[in-house]
Amino acid sequence: AQKVTQAQTEISVVEKEDVTLDCVYETRDTTYYLFWYKQPPSGELVFLIRRNSFDEQNEISGRYSWNFQKSTSSFNFTITASQVVDSAVYFCALTIYGNNRLAFGKGNQVVVIP
Amino acid sequence: DSGVTQTPKHLITATGQRVTLRCSPRSGDLSVYWYQQSLDQGLQFLIQYYNGEERAKGNILERFSAQQFPDLHSELNLSSLELGDSALYFCASSAVSGGADGELFFGEGSRLTVL
Repeated sequence: AQKVTQAQTEISVVEKEDVTLDCVYETRDTTYYLFWYKQPPSGELVFLIRRNSFDEQNEISGRYSWNFQKSTSSFNFTITASQVVDSAVYFCALTIYGNNRLAFGKGNQVVVIP
Repeated sequence: DSGVTQTPKHLITATGQRVTLRCSPRSGDLSVYWYQQSLDQGLQFLIQYYNGEERAKGNILERFSAQQFPDLHSELNLSSLELGDSALYFCASSAVSGGADGELFFGEGSRLTVL
């Protein structure tokens, strides 16, 4: 079975600070996908990023970046120069190749203070 | 806009009642997934349909059932409702049952309140 752990529950930052969200996952499969989703106060789930297990290259997309390390089973996510609109719950999720059934972490509530 | 449409957006009902949540997937997507988001359980996978057939079951109660129709829309039926069924129910769709894509597109959710 797949498991995703997001240890931090609520994180408060002042606007323009960086915020890093930790995600640790467990799976016995060698081929899998990792995701980050954002859930703003309005409630919808917004796809942010996806990484497959064969690609550990860390990238930056706008103000988002991620650090994928298979050796530690971690998939951390960073928002650079946070803005008030970044206030939301962020979910890390995992699915194995061959199905799209996501296993979600409990989520990180990010509060950006103006 | 993900292209996935869920109705109703909000629903308030009483214990013991039965409700139906509806989902229209993105155009061309064959797979539909239902997820439940509650305060105590978080986001949980309930059930998946692919082209009209049930493909996988997760933590779905026996009081709940779902189906996918020939036009690919799906309905989630919740019966004998209990207070603990109050949650946000998401529908998601994908083009395939599984595989290289791995990406789901989520609707805005249906918020069910059981009083």
